[in-house]
Amino acid sequence: DIQMTQSPSSLSASVGDRLNITCRASQGIRNHLAWFQQKPGKAPKSLIYAVSSLQSGVPSKFSGSGSGTDFTLTISSLQPEDFATYYCQQYQSYPFTFGGGTKVEIK
Amino acid sequence: EVQLVESGGGLVQPGRSLRLSCAASGFTFDDYAMHWVRQAPGKGLEWVSGIGWNSGYIGYADSVKGRFTISRDNAKNYLYLEMNSLRGEDTAFYYCGKGQSSVAAAPVDFWGQGILVTVSS
Repeated sequence: DIQMTQSPSSLSASVGDRLNITCRASQGIRNHLAWFQQKPGKAPKSLIYAVSSLQSGVPSKFSGSGSGTDFTLTISSLQPEDFATYYCQQYQSYPFTFGGGTKVEIK
Repeated sequence: EVQLVESGGGLVQPGRSLRLSCAASGFTFDDYAMHWVRQAPGKGLEWVSGIGWNSGYIGYADSVKGRFTISRDNAKNYLYLEMNSLRGEDTAFYYCGKGQSSVAAAPVDFWGQGILVTVSS
C-alpha cells in the first residue's frame, strides 16, 4: 500500500499569511494527488485534484504543486474561513490512502 | 444540484452486521465511480472502498477487506456498503463520495453529510 505523510501535523498562522502544507508519497503516484479541507463537524470538501487542478468553485488562493512523490498545498493569503484541517490523498492505486492531516489554527 | 444522502447507520453490537445506503441525485449516477470514506471520532479520514461506474474495479482498505462489501444499483441511483463482523474500531462517521469520473482511479469531488455507525455492546 502507498503511504502518505503530511507535514506539519498542525500549525498556527495569522490572517494574511501564506501557507504551505507538504505531502509525501511512499512511492511515485504520477499526478494522482488530491487535497481536501474539513471544518469541525462538517463533511470534507474537495479542493484540488490531479496535483494542481482546482475543483469547481474553489477560490484561486488555493494552489497545488509537485510531482512524483512530493507535493505541496499553498494558501496564498489565509482568511478566517480557511482555518480547518487539510488532507492529501493518493488515488494512483487501491487502496486509496489519505495523509494524516494538517490542522491549521489561528495564531 | 448534486445530493448524496446516507442512511442505515446507528448502534450495533460487535460481530453483527449493518448495511449503509447512499441515495444519489442531481447527476447521472451511472456515469461516475463512487466511494465510501470514514472518520473515527477525533481521527483523520480513512478511505474504505470504491466502485467503478459499472460495478467493476472494486477496492477495499486492508482494515475492512473480507468483512465489507460495496455495491451499487444504477437503476435506483443507490450506493451500498454491507458491513459484517463489525468491530469497535469500525465506529466512525461514514461518508458517501461521488467520484470525479467513471473510472475508479479518480478522487471524490462531492461528499454526503455522513452518518454515524457505533459498534458497542
